[in-house]
Amino acid sequence: DAGVIQSPRHEVTEMGQEVTLRCKPISGHNSLFWYRQTMMRGLELLIYFNNNVPIDDSGMPEDRFSAKMPNASFSTLKIQPSEPRDSAVYFCASSLVGETGGVDEQYFGPGTRLTVT
Amino acid sequence: AQSVTQLGSHVSVSEGALVLLRCNYSSSVPPYLFWYVQYPNQGLQLLLKYTSAATLVKGINDFEAEFKKSETSFHLTKPSAHMSDAAEYFCAVSPMDSSYKLIFGSGTRLLVRP
Repeated sequence: DAGVIQSPRHEVTEMGQEVTLRCKPISGHNSLFWYRQTMMRGLELLIYFNNNVPIDDSGMPEDRFSAKMPNASFSTLKIQPSEPRDSAVYFCASSLVGETGGVDEQYFGPGTRLTVT
Repeated sequence: AQSVTQLGSHVSVSEGALVLLRCNYSSSVPPYLFWYVQYPNQGLQLLLKYTSAATLVKGINDFEAEFKKSETSFHLTKPSAHMSDAAEYFCAVSPMDSSYKLIFGSGTRLLVRP
């Protein structure tokens, strides 16, 4: 298995531009997570999808951030318009969560390092 | 709200020495607990997890952690450090009522001296 795939690995953009981060979860996994990692705030969960449906988006910072999961093998995180404070590493993770919400390992992708100038 | 505290943002050990990374959680109900490792420019990788079975949990690469309810701790240990263990280590808690969620500590960077 190729693991969780994220693209691009690095993104540099100017303030005000739209940024789209992409994620392909591990085949067969039914849960997908987007995290943000910064020095100041550490690792934060942004949004959680189960069976392609957003379940918990309480970590999404503001309306500039949106996430979609049109099918089981693809998700996007979009920032529009981007701001310098959005600079961070964004991780996608996937997992197989049972019907009772049982705990299973989250597999992380390599991350996208976003720099907004 | 649940939280995790990792004591020491940096820990330095000599190669072959004991590794001890500390983690304390806040919860009135024993949660699920995890240790993840992050190598430079990579995503996080699970080392081990506690899910209310055995209190001493063994993970990959000879790491282990002991759940101590009385101390609300889940410290990570390894008997003998190797140079390849140099990385950042994250303790995480998953509330039992929303077990999909991982709440991470601030991380501890492990440095291994030759």
